[in-house]
Amino acid sequence: DGGITQSPKYLFRKEGQNVTLSCEQNLNHDAMYWYRQDPGQGLRLIYYSQIVNDFQKGDIAEGYSVSREKKESFPLTVTSAQKNPTAFYLCASSIVGLFNQPQHFGDGTRLSIL
Amino acid sequence: GIQVEQSPPDLILQEGANSTLRCNFSDSVNNLQWFHQNPWGQLINLFYIPSGTKQNGRLSATTVATERYSLLYISSSQTTDSGVYFCAVPRLGNTPLVFGKGTRLSVIA
Repeated sequence: DGGITQSPKYLFRKEGQNVTLSCEQNLNHDAMYWYRQDPGQGLRLIYYSQIVNDFQKGDIAEGYSVSREKKESFPLTVTSAQKNPTAFYLCASSIVGLFNQPQHFGDGTRLSIL
Repeated sequence: GIQVEQSPPDLILQEGANSTLRCNFSDSVNNLQWFHQNPWGQLINLFYIPSGTKQNGRLSATTVATERYSLLYISSSQTTDSGVYFCAVPRLGNTPLVFGKGTRLSVIA
């Protein structure tokens, strides 16, 4: 089945540690996105990429890094510089076309601080 | 940037009741999506509706782009409809979505 796979579902980070969240899609979508959700809030954009080897910062990029070496993969690294990383992280993808295309989401990763 | 406001923030319904959720946005858009986030956090696409009306079972959505709002109708609500409903629109000239804060729906048996 085509879809977006995020792993792991739950992740715990120690102080000063970098952690990487995985996002893989087999929908052949060009664009991929990372959003962060805090309790009781909507989603906020961290980073996005519309083509391999290129990505753009979103509204809350500080303390995060990404790479886009393959079309199917868009991993997100939460660095030690992100002082409040506890949140629900959602990855999405979409076709890039003349008009905005619907985004499809993975099931998310919950990150907590030990 | 574009602002998205949803109302009401919270809604409690008896099973079988109907409801209308509203989404206002501050600028012209060529896309609008409605999502349902279930209690496990999964974000499920409901509608992609830049304008007009669409129906899917007990759910329907209407977007009036010229007046910058969209409505989500839920008829004969069921307990499985509980969760948070988000609307989202793209930033001007770009693809990432801007989300509203959502409407939290609780359907009671």
